[in-house]
Amino acid sequence: DVKVTQSSRYLVKRTGEKVFLECVQDMDHENMFWYRQDPGLGLRLIYFSYDVKMKEKGDIPEGYSVSREKKERFSLILESASTNQTSMYLCASSRQGPGELFFGEGSRLTVL
Amino acid sequence: QQPVQSPQAVILREGEDAVINCSSSKALYSVHWYRQKHGEAPVFLMILLKGGEQKGHDKISASFNEKKQQSSLYLTASQLSYSGTYFCGTEMSGGSNYKLTFGKGTLLTVNP
Repeated sequence: DVKVTQSSRYLVKRTGEKVFLECVQDMDHENMFWYRQDPGLGLRLIYFSYDVKMKEKGDIPEGYSVSREKKERFSLILESASTNQTSMYLCASSRQGPGELFFGEGSRLTVL
Repeated sequence: QQPVQSPQAVILREGEDAVINCSSSKALYSVHWYRQKHGEAPVFLMILLKGGEQKGHDKISASFNEKKQQSSLYLTASQLSYSGTYFCGTEMSGGSNYKLTFGKGTLLTVNP
């Protein structure tokens, strides 16, 4: 069974803290994505990666960075968390080229 | 840029039909459709590639009008299990750096 696993389902952090959200896929997929989901705004793309160590900005990259040192792992980093980054974060992966995205269960981050 | 979905919400009785539209201001290479049930991850329904094709999946089908940069999702004889939020995702380039941008979603509620 294909799987995208996000390390934390729920996190509570304080303003200014550094936050790491980890995502691992076991399908040998080339593409990996980080989205945030907010009510009324849909899924907004933060960053994506189409190969190891390759990354590209999505539509809302400000305040975020990513790391992809291994094919199966894609990390989202909030260098200095702010309250407006309180959100549900979804990781996804897919094979090279247009194809089905497989999503993780999501990580709900609250920044106080 | 996020594609525009309409309507934002629709309420049906079991057995009724619905159409959800997705439009883009830019030329599209592919359109994806996903359904997300409350508290769950989005699940892939289908993908339509440049070429104006139409696809079906049980009683859910979709069309892609490349010239109009629009796609429509058709749900016929709706079932209670169809309830959820439907997202269209659009991709413009078809290249290896695959970037999928989602709309804000359409909330579909099917009542008995």
